Amino acid sequence: GNSVTQMEGPVTLSEEAFLTINCTYTATGYPSLFWYVQYPGEGLQLLLKATKADDKGSNKGFEATYRKETTSFHLEKGSVQVSDSAVYFCALSVTGTYKYIFGTGTRLKVLA
Amino acid sequence: DTGVSQDPRHKITKRGQNVTFRCDPISEHNRLYWYRQTLGQGPEFLTYFQNEAQLEKSRLLSDRFSAERPKGSFSTLEIQRTEQGDSAMYLCASSKSGGGVSYEQYFGPGTRLTVT
Repeated sequence: GNSVTQMEGPVTLSEEAFLTINCTYTATGYPSLFWYVQYPGEGLQLLLKATKADDKGSNKGFEATYRKETTSFHLEKGSVQVSDSAVYFCALSVTGTYKYIFGTGTRLKVLA
Repeated sequence: DTGVSQDPRHKITKRGQNVTFRCDPISEHNRLYWYRQTLGQGPEFLTYFQNEAQLEKSRLLSDRFSAERPKGSFSTLEIQRTEQGDSAMYLCASSKSGGGVSYEQYFGPGTRLTVT
């Protein structure tokens, strides 16, 4: 079946630290991969996406590369800010089904 | 583009009562999805519509749950005879469709249901 596994949080970092949140997946077919972010009190927002192997999605300084050989889509940012504190969700969508399968989310807390 | 809206934002009900939630998608989106999110978990798929047709339902959607999208625009999710286990955030999302592509989904703010 299809599933997404994310590293457990919370992740606590100091401002300007390097961020990695691991995400691995299991899927039939060729999934599209997404990272969503949920800020406190707000809805889910798309952060970035990749639709095929070796694609790199990027937005707001965040990046993730679709690695088919390791079935991974790790989220990275070179220098985090306090405003990046949120919950981050990795998700996949298998072509033909269109529904998303989400990971359990990783809470990030950035300290000034 | 006003985004996806949901109403109400919060609902408190007693066990055994029926509740109905509404979702208004982005106007040009013909796919509409419902998810349920419990504390500390990621959203779980419930069902989705392509225009007015309900094309897939999760096993999570028991016979107490029903969803409609009568004119291919807004959608309603009804829960009959609510149970405490139904307490969760109910999320609606919408997307474009076509070409066999998985377009990104845009989420509403959610309806938080508390069953007492």
